[in-house]
Amino acid sequence: KAGVTQTPRYLIKTRGQQVTLSCSPISGHRSVSWYQQTPGQGLQFLFEYFSETQRNKGNFPGRFSGRQFSNSRSEMNVSTLELGDSALYLCASSLDGLAPSGEQYFGPGTRLTVT
Amino acid sequence: AQKITQTQPGMFVQEKEAVTLDCTYDTSDQSYGLFWYKQPSSGEMIFLIYQGSYDEQNATEGRYSLNFQKARKSANLVISASQLGDSAMYFCAMRELHTSGTYKYIFGTGTRLKVLA
Repeated sequence: KAGVTQTPRYLIKTRGQQVTLSCSPISGHRSVSWYQQTPGQGLQFLFEYFSETQRNKGNFPGRFSGRQFSNSRSEMNVSTLELGDSALYLCASSLDGLAPSGEQYFGPGTRLTVT
Repeated sequence: AQKITQTQPGMFVQEKEAVTLDCTYDTSDQSYGLFWYKQPSSGEMIFLIYQGSYDEQNATEGRYSLNFQKARKSANLVISASQLGDSAMYFCAMRELHTSGTYKYIFGTGTRLKVLA
């Protein structure tokens, strides 16, 4: 079974631009979560999508948005990029996320650098 | 307040020795899950082991075991017979009920483990 895939793996953008990151979950998984990882803040939850609906949201500004498609693939978008948005963005999938035992499986991440 | 605390920013262990990575958590929920993930330098988070709050026995997965002490709210990861490939960042995480009625992950700050030859 293929794992979680994320594209692109690396990205360099300029301040003020926008960016879209893509995540394909493990086949059969319906829950997709996004995380931002930085050396200073650690791993922070952005949002979770389930069946094309945002189910959970972290404490990030509205510049960060996402969506999920009917095939469970998800995209996240960051508009008006700031230098502080430079980070590793991780996507994780799980079956349905409705139980405490629902382990998440992570993709390799997209490393975004904003200059 | 910090919900997941990993007090060891870095650890060294000799190859073939055992090592314990500490994790304490804070929750008022009765039903929650505790996880450990490994993150090598490549960046991908690898699921290692899971412990449910109602599980009476400590979880084990190969060389990994979770020392679960519910009253003390600790969930330490024990790696036996360390290998060079175990050198990585290790994250403790808790899955607890969110106000939305679904579960949410909270991660600790991680412990960087270096296995010495």
